[in-house]
Amino acid sequence: GQNIDQPTEMTATEGAIVQINCTYQTSGFNGLFWYQQHAGEAPTFLSYNVLDGLEEKGRFSSFLSRSKGYSYLLLKELQMKDSASYLCAVKNSNYQLIWGAGTKLIIKP
Amino acid sequence: DAMVIQNPRYQVTQFGKPVTLSCSQTLNHNVMYWYQQKSSQAPKLLFHYYDKDFNNEADTPDNFQSRRPNTSFCFLDIRSPGLGDTAMYLCATSSGEGRGNEKLFFGSGTQLSVL
Repeated sequence: GQNIDQPTEMTATEGAIVQINCTYQTSGFNGLFWYQQHAGEAPTFLSYNVLDGLEEKGRFSSFLSRSKGYSYLLLKELQMKDSASYLCAVKNSNYQLIWGAGTKLIIKP
Repeated sequence: DAMVIQNPRYQVTQFGKPVTLSCSQTLNHNVMYWYQQKSSQAPKLLFHYYDKDFNNEADTPDNFQSRRPNTSFCFLDIRSPGLGDTAMYLCATSSGEGRGNEKLFFGSGTQLSVL
């Protein structure tokens, strides 16, 4: 089967750094996405990785290792508004998007 | 601004009473999707349209139907909602250019409660 694994919940402190991990097993690979989803709202696109390495976009960075089936999302200088769920999704060889259940990130003052 | 709009934002229906959710887009995207998302779970793809071509996921219950009368609009019909259909229903679009980095644009979702 195909699956995406992420921690269910993480807690971090305002101003700190947090790393959210994602491991995947899919039939083929055509890229990995991270989406942010605030409670009761729709997901919004954060990042896309298809090659190994780190992609930096402001306070958010996303890393991919295809050989390990692993990605992480790094959030720096955490703000209260970063409290949300972070969804990892992989596009397989058929261009189907396989979703993880999301990691709920709680930011404390 | 170009966007994906879903109505209503919240919908309450009775067990067995048909309900229709709507989605419109101004992005002129070829592909439209309907996802079901239950609390703390991954979004589950119900079906998608590539232009007028309808693609049903194998495990989507027959109780769920969809219509796309034109490029801009798509509807989700639940013929006889059960308690287990309580969920957020997300409409999304993508350009349909077939590239790996093609991202989804989501509407704000309809939170459906079946009582």
